[in-house]
Amino acid sequence: RKEVEQDPGPFNVPEGATVAFNCTYSNSASQSFFWYRQDCRKEPKLLMSVYSSGNEDGRFTAQLNRASQYISLLIRDSKLSDSATYLCVVNRGATNKLIFGTGTLLAVQP
Amino acid sequence: EAGVAQSPRYKIIEKRQSVAFWCNPISGHATLYWYQQILGQGPKLLIQFQNNGVVDDSQLPKDRFSAERLKGVDSTLKIQPAKLEDSAVYLCASSPLSRGTGGTYEQYFGPGTRLTVT
Repeated sequence: RKEVEQDPGPFNVPEGATVAFNCTYSNSASQSFFWYRQDCRKEPKLLMSVYSSGNEDGRFTAQLNRASQYISLLIRDSKLSDSATYLCVVNRGATNKLIFGTGTLLAVQP
Repeated sequence: EAGVAQSPRYKIIEKRQSVAFWCNPISGHATLYWYQQILGQGPKLLIQFQNNGVVDDSQLPKDRFSAERLKGVDSTLKIQPAKLEDSAVYLCASSPLSRGTGGTYEQYFGPGTRLTVT
């Protein structure tokens, strides 16, 4: 079993749609959580951190459920420019080691 | 601020040949990471340096992969001999984290080196 699991998709949605990605992690000692975005043939870039209280950045909302070891990302009012792979990432702690999921591919259609 | 630099951007070699990749992290970043990203998967950490010391190399295939960061700045990753399954993008990242602080810091990735082994 992978330490971080995501639905690989692809998710094909029309512009303006709301889309949600889910992720589960197996190591209960994981300390911090992130969503990274990776465009085709580009490097991953941090989209947002994920906090237990939930956090929002414009059209993006991330939530963490430590009891269920579950992380989510909600994108509202999807834009064509949101098309990318979204990577769920877990940090194990003091050494800043990141464990990446396989990523979920989002394709926003005009 | 200049980002993480990597070279070459692309490399094609035959199996059993050797190859080396170079990375120059963001100035002042103490921690440097090498990741392997196989097509359709997320990046997997190969090795992490703190200055010129190794913090984690648990997933580095040491029979064929080696890495060094002699002066605590730039780094090289070598594969010798290469296998077909080494075809991947090799990403270098850096962060300002100092080990032991208990904090976590954003990792900044370079553009990667796309390796094809034929």
